[in-house]
Amino acid sequence: DQQVKQNSPSLSVQEGRISILNCDYTNSMFDYFLWYKKYPAEGPTFLISISSIKDKNEDGRFTVFLNKSAKHLSLHIVPSQPGDSAVYFCAASARRKSSGDKLTFGTGTRLAVRP
Amino acid sequence: DAGVTQSPTHLIKTRGQQVTLRCSPKSGHDTVSWYQQALGQGPQFIFQYYEEEERQRGNFPDRFSGHQFPNYSSELNVNALLLGDSALYLCASSLARGPINTIYFGEGSWLTVV
Repeated sequence: DQQVKQNSPSLSVQEGRISILNCDYTNSMFDYFLWYKKYPAEGPTFLISISSIKDKNEDGRFTVFLNKSAKHLSLHIVPSQPGDSAVYFCAASARRKSSGDKLTFGTGTRLAVRP
Repeated sequence: DAGVTQSPTHLIKTRGQQVTLRCSPKSGHDTVSWYQQALGQGPQFIFQYYEEEERQRGNFPDRFSGHQFPNYSSELNVNALLLGDSALYLCASSLARGPINTIYFGEGSWLTVV
C-alpha cells in the first residue's frame, strides 16, 4: 500500500522557469510533510517542510503548498536553476510523543533543469 | 561537526550470507533510523533505535535486526541474504522530540547480493 505517491517519475524544466513537483497521500493521520533532495551518491538532504495546520510554507526559492482536503501537496521552485537538478522525494510523518519520527517516502521525481 | 557517517560505502555479498552495516549519528543526536532504498523506489523505513532499544519497526522480516550502542551509534544486521536485499541502506539520525526538519541522512551503504 503506497501511502505517499509521486506520480511523475521525471520532470524537465528550462532554467529560470517554475518547477512544480506533486505528491499525493492517502493516510489522514499524517501531520507533517517534508521534501528531500537527493544527488547521486549522496544521502537525501532536507529541503522544506510543512505542518498540516498550514497550507503554505516558503523558504527562498522553494514553496510548499498543502491541500488537506485533496490530500495533495506540491513543491514550487522559482526560478529553477541547473543546480536544482536532482531527485526530489516527498515524505510524510504522523508525529506521536511516544514514538519517534518514521518517514514514509514517495518514489521520487527526477528534476532536470535545462540551461 | 561531522554529520551522519555510514560504513562500508559499498559491499558485495553472496546469497545466504550475513551482513552488518554501521552508522554514527550526527553529534548531539540520540535516535537512529534505518531505511532501505531499492532501485527506482523511495526509502522504506526498517526500524528506529532510541535509548538502545528498538522503538518502531517497519514491515521487514526478522532477518533484519539492529542494535544501538551507548554512544548512540548503531548497526543494522541482515541474515540469510536474498537477492532482493540488494539496495541502498540509509541511516538517519535525529533528536528525540526534536524538530522534524532536523532529521539528517548519511550517504548510505550500497549492498549488492549475488
